[in-house]
Amino acid sequence: GAVVSQHPSWVICKSGTSVKIECRSLDFQATTMFWYRQFPKQSLMLMATSNEGSKATYEQGVEKDKFLINHASLTLSTLTVTSAHPEDSSFYICSARGVGPGTGGTDTQYFGPGTRLTVL
Amino acid sequence: SQQGEEDPQALSIQEGENATMNCSYKTSINNLQWYRQNSGRGLVHLILIRSNEREKHSGRLRVTLDTSKKSSSLLITASRAADTASYFCSVGGSQGNLIFGKGTKLSVKP
Repeated sequence: GAVVSQHPSWVICKSGTSVKIECRSLDFQATTMFWYRQFPKQSLMLMATSNEGSKATYEQGVEKDKFLINHASLTLSTLTVTSAHPEDSSFYICSARGVGPGTGGTDTQYFGPGTRLTVL
Repeated sequence: SQQGEEDPQALSIQEGENATMNCSYKTSINNLQWYRQNSGRGLVHLILIRSNEREKHSGRLRVTLDTSKKSSSLLITASRAADTASYFCSVGGSQGNLIFGKGTKLSVKP
């Protein structure tokens, strides 16, 4: 089946630094990738939608200059948390939707394992 | 909001028992999906049920959908300790994303 990886799986950084999280579709072409954020004991909330080769669409309340998204290829999207602060500490999960063997069509999204970000 | 809402928020059962989780949503849908999330991990897709389907099975999982009541249920039969996880229902959002409910935290005791 379709597999999505994320790197790193966890990261601890100092306040004010920037952190880049990668999301890769390993065996299919991801025409669309989604970035979600999940705070403890809460559900996933969509941050932005990323289509290959175009600018990301951000959800209301998500600062595009703080959360930079680059979807440069059909298999890679990156989320950069710039000038991170403790309130940015969260679990960031990407998902991908695309075409290729085993993708099950565009109704199905495949999720990465998530990245735990802790900002000190 | 089309957000799905699960009920109950938490469920604790003994191994071998059945677990039933319910989900309600607010607007029309093309399909509804159920996911599982182990603590601190990503989501695993369990099952997708389309709006013209009423019931779907996958192994020990049974999902029902009642579009007139805008509700769905997930039944896990003969539960195992390994089924311990949070379960989320989701419906489609305007960006092609998924909108998740708050989830049901299932604990299966051996």
